[in-house]
Amino acid sequence: AQTVTQSQPEMSVQEAETVTLSCTYDTSESDYYLFWYKQPPSRQMILVIRQEAYKQQNATENRFSVNFQKAAKSFSLKISDSQLGDAAMYFCAYRSLSGYSTLTFGKGTMLLVSP
Amino acid sequence: DAGITQSPRYKITETGRQVTLMCHQTWSHSYMFWYRQDLGHGLRLIYYSAAADITDKGEVPDGYVVSRSKTENFPLTLESATRSQTSVYFCASSFRDSTSGNTIYFGEGSWLTVV
Repeated sequence: AQTVTQSQPEMSVQEAETVTLSCTYDTSESDYYLFWYKQPPSRQMILVIRQEAYKQQNATENRFSVNFQKAAKSFSLKISDSQLGDAAMYFCAYRSLSGYSTLTFGKGTMLLVSP
Repeated sequence: DAGITQSPRYKITETGRQVTLMCHQTWSHSYMFWYRQDLGHGLRLIYYSAAADITDKGEVPDGYVVSRSKTENFPLTLESATRSQTSVYFCASSFRDSTSGNTIYFGEGSWLTVV
């Protein structure tokens, strides 16, 4: 079974600065997908970014980018030019392409953004 | 684009009562999921469905029943609600193919309190 670990329960950043959220995972599979979801106080789960394991190029979505290290099983999220609206819980998630094909989530990192 | 909708959004019920949470998606996604989210546990899979009339248990299925007679609907029933089932419930759906990025999309959540 796969596991996802987010070692930072909480992170803080000031507006306009850059912050990196860490995620590691454990799997024996070679093909899979990784995701970061954002959950604001409304509790809506919002997709931030997606990475296919077979792609070496790191995914980027505007101010959000990832550092995907397949051999190290690491998938960190970098948020540039942080905004107050980025404050939320962030979940790293793994999707297998076999079996349940569901998402395995980390415990989440709470991101605090200060003016 | 209605996407994925859950109802009711908020529900208070008494111990022992039967409760059904509804989930409807307009994307014709083959896969549908039910998760619950509790403090300290993150998101845990209750049931999933790979297609109409195909369902299977997830990590925490006890006390829950699902059905999927139509592709677009995936109701979750608590047969006899208990206080431990107080939680936020998320329905989710996806295709399972590289074109869609294997992305799982979430509803807004149903907040259930059992008293």
